[in-house]
Amino acid sequence: DAGVIQSPRHEVTEMGQEVTLRCKPISGHDYLFWYRQTMMRGLELLIYFNNNVPIDDSGMPEDRFSAKMPNASFSTLKIQPSEPRDSAVYFCASSLGVRGREAFFGQGTRLTVV
Amino acid sequence: GNSVTQMEGPVTLSEEAFLTINCTYTATGYPSLFWYVQYPGEGLQLLLKATKADDKGSNKGFEATYRKETTSFHLEKGSVQVSDSAVYFCALWGSNYKLTFGKGTLLTVNP
Repeated sequence: DAGVIQSPRHEVTEMGQEVTLRCKPISGHDYLFWYRQTMMRGLELLIYFNNNVPIDDSGMPEDRFSAKMPNASFSTLKIQPSEPRDSAVYFCASSLGVRGREAFFGQGTRLTVV
Repeated sequence: GNSVTQMEGPVTLSEEAFLTINCTYTATGYPSLFWYVQYPGEGLQLLLKATKADDKGSNKGFEATYRKETTSFHLEKGSVQVSDSAVYFCALWGSNYKLTFGKGTLLTVNP
């Protein structure tokens, strides 16, 4: 398997624009997680899905953020409108089960909002 | 809620030195504990894990023991190499099904 695939790897956008980040989890995995990484706050869990259903979105910072998982092989994280403080690296991860299982991470999308 | 506290970095060592990165946690129930490593420009990779008290996880010369009495999961390696330079994250998977990370510790190993 190719692992968790995220696109794009880098995104530079202007403040106010809509940004969509994409993730393809490992085939067969039933959990998908979106994280945001910044120097100040470290790794923050934004939202996670189980079998394509959002389970906990308490980490989503504002209504400007939304995430979907229309099927088992694809998820999106959308920011609309984007702001400079959204600049961060966004990671997607997937796992088969939870608790003692390994979460596999994508290489991340580095978002810069200018 | 669950939380993970790990020692602040950066940590700078010479090759073949002994490494310890401290990690303590707060969680209800019996969480699973992990160490992940992040190399520059890459995502996180699992380094080792332990799923119950007194378990020892080990991989690539790194070790960590799940100590419930001290709520700790310290990472150790007897002899570090330049290639071990990376950011190390302690994490726990709790009963709320969330994988919670510490803030990470940057390790630099000099030849």
